Amino acid sequence: AQSVTQLGSHVSVSEGALVLLRCNYSSSVPPYLFWYVQYPNQGLQLLLKYTTGATLVKGINGFEAEFKKSETSFHLTKPSAHMSDAAEYFCAVSGAPNTGNQFYFGTGTSLTVIP
Amino acid sequence: EAQVTQNPRYLITVTGKKLTVTCSQNMNHEYMSWYRQDPGLGLRQIYYSMNVEVTDKGDVPEGYKVSRKEKRNFPLILESPSPNQTSLYFCASSLFQNTEAFFGQGTRLTVV
Repeated sequence: AQSVTQLGSHVSVSEGALVLLRCNYSSSVPPYLFWYVQYPNQGLQLLLKYTTGATLVKGINGFEAEFKKSETSFHLTKPSAHMSDAAEYFCAVSGAPNTGNQFYFGTGTSLTVIP
Repeated sequence: EAQVTQNPRYLITVTGKKLTVTCSQNMNHEYMSWYRQDPGLGLRQIYYSMNVEVTDKGDVPEGYKVSRKEKRNFPLILESPSPNQTSLYFCASSLFQNTEAFFGQGTRLTVV
């Protein structure tokens, strides 16, 4: 089975500070990679995704993520946190070898933004 | 409006009483999935469907059934619910497996 690891179940940053949420995956072959955001009492919404091509991916709301094959990582960043960024963030993977057509999510990181 | 609709949003039931959670999408998507979300475990895929009449198990299929008789609908069936199936459930659809997934609002199920 595919493994998706999000380091840090809770991250707190000050408003205006850099946001860094970490994601590592276990596949030896680059899969498709996603970041989703979940606001309270809502479903998930796609922030950005990597399929092929440019390794730096830009998403909505000023977020971006960089695919690093050598580190099997896909960390999410935002230069300046806003109060509205407070939410749960999930990294997800699909298309890894021997996983069929399954989709795997990490355990999530809850982001708190301190005014 | 493009959307994934789940019903009901909230459900409290008793152990062993069969229930169905419905899911419908209006985007003509091929790929549909069911997930359960539990604290500290993230989202885990229960079942998915690549197209009509094509379904397969995800990571945690035990105790659940699905069917895909029409492209737009993908109901989740609990034949004999147990308390360990108390969870938040999400249905999602995407055009294909590796394209953006659209999620329903969730169904909070409590089995007592």
